[in-house]
This record gives sequence, C-alpha cells and structure tokens, in this order.
Amino acid sequence: ILNVEQSPQSLHVQEGDSTNFTCSFPSSNFYALHWYRWETAKSPEALFVMTLNGDEKKKGQISATLNTKEGYSYLYIKGSQPEDSATYLCAFMGSGGGADGLTFGKGTHLIIQP
Amino acid sequence: GAGVSQSPSNKVTEKGKDVELRCDPISGHTALYWYRQSLGQGLEFLIYFQGNSAPDKSGLPSDRFSAERTGGSVSTLTIQRTQQEDSAVYLCASSSGPGTGALHFGNGTRLTVT
Repeated sequence: ILNVEQSPQSLHVQEGDSTNFTCSFPSSNFYALHWYRWETAKSPEALFVMTLNGDEKKKGQISATLNTKEGYSYLYIKGSQPEDSATYLCAFMGSGGGADGLTFGKGTHLIIQP
Repeated sequence: GAGVSQSPSNKVTEKGKDVELRCDPISGHTALYWYRQSLGQGLEFLIYFQGNSAPDKSGLPSDRFSAERTGGSVSTLTIQRTQQEDSAVYLCASSSGPGTGALHFGNGTRLTVT
C-alpha cells in the first residue's frame, strides 16, 4: 500500500490571501504526480501532471512544484477567490506505470471566506 | 458528449442483490480506472485497464467485485451479493495513457445498499 499524505486536511483562508499545501509521497520508484481539484457536486478536474524533479507548473493563479528526491509537492494559490473553494487532491504513480493505478491522498479541503 | 459517462447516476439496492455499474470513457482513451469514495474517506483505487486487460486487480475489495472492459471502450463494474459497506460513490476515469495522461472523471454512480 502506497502512502500518499496531504496536509493540512482542511484550511480556511480569507479572500485575497495566498496559501499553499503539501503532498508527500514515496521518494523511490517515482513515475508521475498529479494534482486535481474537486468541487462539491462535481467530478475531480485535472490541474497538473508532473513527471520531472524540479518541475514547476502554473495555471492562472495556481502553481505547483515537485521534489521527487525527497518525495513532496507543493500547491500554491495566489490571491484566493471564493471559486477556489474545493478539495485539492494529489495522486502518485510509481514506476510500475499504470498497473498500480494512481494512489490518491485524502485531499486538502480549502474554504475561501469572503 | 465528449466526457466520461457513467450510469446509473444513482442506484439503491437491497443487501444481497447484484449490481452492475457502467462506464463509457472518452473515445480513444486507452487507460480506464475505477475508484470509489466511501463516506468520509478518500479515493480508493479499485482497478485499472490498459486496453481490455487489467494488469492489476488487487485493489478490488473482495471476490464479490469484478470488472471487465470490452472492445477497449465500455467498462462494467459488477458487485455480487451487495453488502451495506459497499455503499459509496463509484468513480470511473479515463486517460490517453497510463501515468502521464491526466484523468478525466465521470460524474460517478452513488450506490446505496439498504
């Protein structure tokens, strides 16, 4: 069983503030790290797929970094807006490729307060 | 539509009955995943298909669960002799390739076993 941990479990942030949270995963046999946003009553939506150590990805005000050697990824949100409220999931895939599936963390539940 | 389609969207069944859940992936996507989310839990990996074959079925919770994919397209997840602990949202996702292709999720099937 692969251990994918996300912290914090939940987070309340004032509108306009910036925030970040963490995904920890096994540092050996890395293949890919995914980030998804899951809004209430919708299905998860892909944000980033990251494969290279040191990779940085950006989509609007959301960005992510990857450190495969130490087994962590950070997701940053700059200038939070109420529509950013969602659960943010990371998912790890080991070098077995898809055979193990993507192992998801339990998510960080982000609430942006107006 | 162009997205992943799951049916039914809701299913209420009596304990001991069999149920079949269907997933129609995005056309051309070779990888297909089944996950479930039980109340208060994260996404639990069930099974992954590459084409019609399932390299790893070890995520299936018990031998009451089975899944197949025919023609490299539609997949069905069958639960025999349902139990109350099978109640969950069952999500299907497809991607253009294992690992580096972002997952596109369906809206899920909410299964309630009474």
